[in-house]
Amino acid sequence: DQQVKQNSPSLSVQEGRISILNCDYTNSMFDYFLWYKKYPAEGPTFLISISSIKDKNEDGRFTVFLNKSAKHLSLHIVPSQPGDSAVYFCAASPHSYSGAGSYQLTFGKGTKLSVIP
Amino acid sequence: EAQVTQNPRYLITVTGKKLTVTCSQNMNHEYMSWYRQDPGLGLRQIYYSMNVEVTDKGDVPEGYKVSRKEKRNFPLILESPSPNQTSLYFCASSSPGQGDYGYTFGSGTRLTVV
Repeated sequence: DQQVKQNSPSLSVQEGRISILNCDYTNSMFDYFLWYKKYPAEGPTFLISISSIKDKNEDGRFTVFLNKSAKHLSLHIVPSQPGDSAVYFCAASPHSYSGAGSYQLTFGKGTKLSVIP
Repeated sequence: EAQVTQNPRYLITVTGKKLTVTCSQNMNHEYMSWYRQDPGLGLRQIYYSMNVEVTDKGDVPEGYKVSRKEKRNFPLILESPSPNQTSLYFCASSSPGQGDYGYTFGSGTRLTVV
């Protein structure tokens, strides 16, 4: 049973427009969520995270929104740039990373974002 | 520079020939993990280790072994590789002191078993 779902395998967006990547989860124990970005021939790198005590976290052009009641989070990239073209993985953890407990992350299958110049 | 180092980056081998993919981290992280990435399946966890001499199975452990004799190293061992283990492998490490960054990943090992 897939606990973290990214239902869109791919997404194409024009440069300068907004990119919205979606992620749904089923495990109510998840309370910390992360987005990773992965370029070809490289390992995933951390992009942005959000704790369940928040509903929004912003870092420059990247904003993550969390809707706990819907068990849904989304990553917004504004404005999108060609360098944002990559695979984006959503991940979830049952415990805040700043506290004790499991270090386990559960990943979604990823969404390949293509930003067209 | 804080990093996770995997070797080799690319490996082509034949069915049944034992191989080891090494992983080393220089951040004194307690937690280390191995993932494989396959098209349409995302990142799937193979094994993880909470600390030295403590290892446990992930979601897809069949056909793999690991060991954690030192904190910095976490090798992945394929005793008898098969073609269905052809994949892209990532090692990752983490620690409570990692803050909000979750895992630090290596650059990956692309394995082809023929």
